[in-house]
Amino acid sequence: GESVGLHLPTLSVQEGDNSIINCAYSNSASDYFIWYKQESGKGPQFIIDIRSNMDKRQGQRVTVLLNKTVKHLSLQIAATQPGDSAVYFCAERDPHMRFGAGTRLTVKP
Amino acid sequence: EAQVTQNPRYLITVTGKKLTVTCSQNMNHEYMSWYRQDPGLGLRQIYYSMNVEVTDKGDVPEGYKVSRKEKRNFPLILESPSPNQTSLYFCASSDRGIYEQYFGPGTRLTVT
Repeated sequence: GESVGLHLPTLSVQEGDNSIINCAYSNSASDYFIWYKQESGKGPQFIIDIRSNMDKRQGQRVTVLLNKTVKHLSLQIAATQPGDSAVYFCAERDPHMRFGAGTRLTVKP
Repeated sequence: EAQVTQNPRYLITVTGKKLTVTCSQNMNHEYMSWYRQDPGLGLRQIYYSMNVEVTDKGDVPEGYKVSRKEKRNFPLILESPSPNQTSLYFCASSDRGIYEQYFGPGTRLTVT
């Protein structure tokens, strides 16, 4: 899950397994959410987005789930690959984009 | 290739020496923004611009200035840098207001 502090939450998975990364957002009025992937030494890269009037959206190997009741967002990555190793963070629009600190995903071969 | 570029990528400077970090996008985006990223913290917005000559403060604007004289460029100015501005800075742009943003590669700034 998301955390503000000196150390990022970490998730370690075996190659081929599914990954689930969680995010708790802060504003119940937020109307749009994005998941970003940030590889070491690079800028954040868009993965998938979802509007508040939806509860699920699927992309290629990724699914985002939105639970507005508990202000929770999750990113599911199917068949995780070594190239998926990165920091993943969510962002909410309230109306400006607010970003979580991120979760570091490590994929073991 | 659609991209956001930043220069320089790395900069070490001393307290009080004015500096400018440039940002340019080639996607004709109206919205541009500057963020700083510090260890364990999420991206925090410094300033943003909805269009040419329209800029506004984000969450952490103190010690920074910006300008938007052209649609493609959005420089970040530190008039008198201090050590607490040591950080990783990202410029971003988007074409539909505050939706999906394209990020530059980052500028790592160290102020001694």
